[in-house]
Amino acid sequence: DIHLTQSPSSVSASVGDRVTITCRASQGISTWLAWYQQKPGRAPRLLIYAASRLQSDVPPRFSASGSGTDFTLTISSLQTEDFAIYFCQQANSFPFTFGPGTTVDFK
Amino acid sequence: QVQLVESGGGVVRPGRSLRLSCAVAGFTFSSHGMHWVRQAPGKGLEWVASIWYDGNNKNYVDSVKGRFSISRDNSQNTVQLQMDSLRVEDTALYYCARGGNSSKYAYYFDYWGQGTPVTVSS
Repeated sequence: DIHLTQSPSSVSASVGDRVTITCRASQGISTWLAWYQQKPGRAPRLLIYAASRLQSDVPPRFSASGSGTDFTLTISSLQTEDFAIYFCQQANSFPFTFGPGTTVDFK
Repeated sequence: QVQLVESGGGVVRPGRSLRLSCAVAGFTFSSHGMHWVRQAPGKGLEWVASIWYDGNNKNYVDSVKGRFSISRDNSQNTVQLQMDSLRVEDTALYYCARGGNSSKYAYYFDYWGQGTPVTVSS
């Protein structure tokens, strides 16, 4: 199974900050990676797929990059509605796996 | 708009069965793979099962193989998860999710339901 790790596990930030989250895969997954946002009591929301493609209706302050084993999600200017947990997911091979999540909370 | 509504969750004893269902609307169901993803209380996300758009290919996480079965009815726009021999560790919120547009992106989960809770306890 492909194991995903995320760092940091949590980050405290302020509105307007630039936030970067990293996801690392235990083996190469090309660009078969997605990023999701989850708010308390809500279902996850797809933000990014294929490592860098922005899902429709996702604001352009979200961007992502990477290939192989190392990936990043960047929020260029954090907004109030962005405080949430962010998960990466690999779609390279079964079983699909998720990272443990990164919590973005108020500083 | 795209809607996914899960049902069928509940509280059951270990070893018993439950059948989850997900009713969808707002898109051409028969063109999309469908997935179940679960989230134990306070925990992260775990992919459980996937089924191709035509129902001809199914995949499961190892921990549920032989106990869970995913199916779909393209005439009724529903996808099901039959869960047998339930264990305490199956306790979670079960989400139904749609696979992305095109076969290339079928394994990204672009729309999710709100989930149905399953509690397995003696």
